[in-house]
Amino acid sequence: DFVMTQSPDSLAVSLGERATINCKSSQSVLYSGNNKNLLAWYQQKPGQPPKLLFYWASTRESGVPDRFSGSGSGTDFTLTINSLQAEDVAVYYCQQYYKSPFTFGPGTKLEIK
Amino acid sequence: EVQLVESGGAVVQPGGSLRLSCAASGFKFDDYGMHWVRQRPGKGLEWVSFICWIGTTIFYTDSVKGRFTVSRDNSKNSLYLQMNNLGPEDTAFYYCAKTIHLSTIFNAVDSWGQGTLVTVSS
Repeated sequence: DFVMTQSPDSLAVSLGERATINCKSSQSVLYSGNNKNLLAWYQQKPGQPPKLLFYWASTRESGVPDRFSGSGSGTDFTLTINSLQAEDVAVYYCQQYYKSPFTFGPGTKLEIK
Repeated sequence: EVQLVESGGAVVQPGGSLRLSCAASGFKFDDYGMHWVRQRPGKGLEWVSFICWIGTTIFYTDSVKGRFTVSRDNSKNSLYLQMNNLGPEDTAFYYCAKTIHLSTIFNAVDSWGQGTLVTVSS
């Protein structure tokens, strides 16, 4: 099975500053058929279901602010939030959908410093 | 607007069974694969199962294989999860979720229900 790890487990960032969350897959999620990374990022706020932020590692879902960006390829990925806003407080998860079981990372809790 | 509404969550004794349902609306249900994802209270997300748009391709996580069965009724725009031989480790919120791209198996999820709580306890 693909094992997804995330770092850090939690982080506190000041308003207006940058937050960086890393995700690592135990195997490459780069699909050679279309040269796309089968990796998604989700945001989950307390008491809410998750919300899709990025698919194919870096394609922003409609309605997601452009201060959010996704990058990386193969086994190493990054979610970056520029100019952190109070509403960005949440837990962030990566997920590979390259192969079943479609495993999630353990999550990174983002708070305001 | 896409809507996914789960139901069927309850308190059940260990070894018991439960059937979850997910009513879908706002999109052409029979064009999209669907997932079940669970979340134990206060914990992270755990993918449980996937069924493709016509039900011919199905996947499960290892811990539920042989106990859970996913199905769908496209005529009723509904997704189901039959859960048998439940154990305390199955206690969780269960979300149904829609894939983002039609007729594609390996796909992110772009819409989630609010979840239904399953509690396995004696």
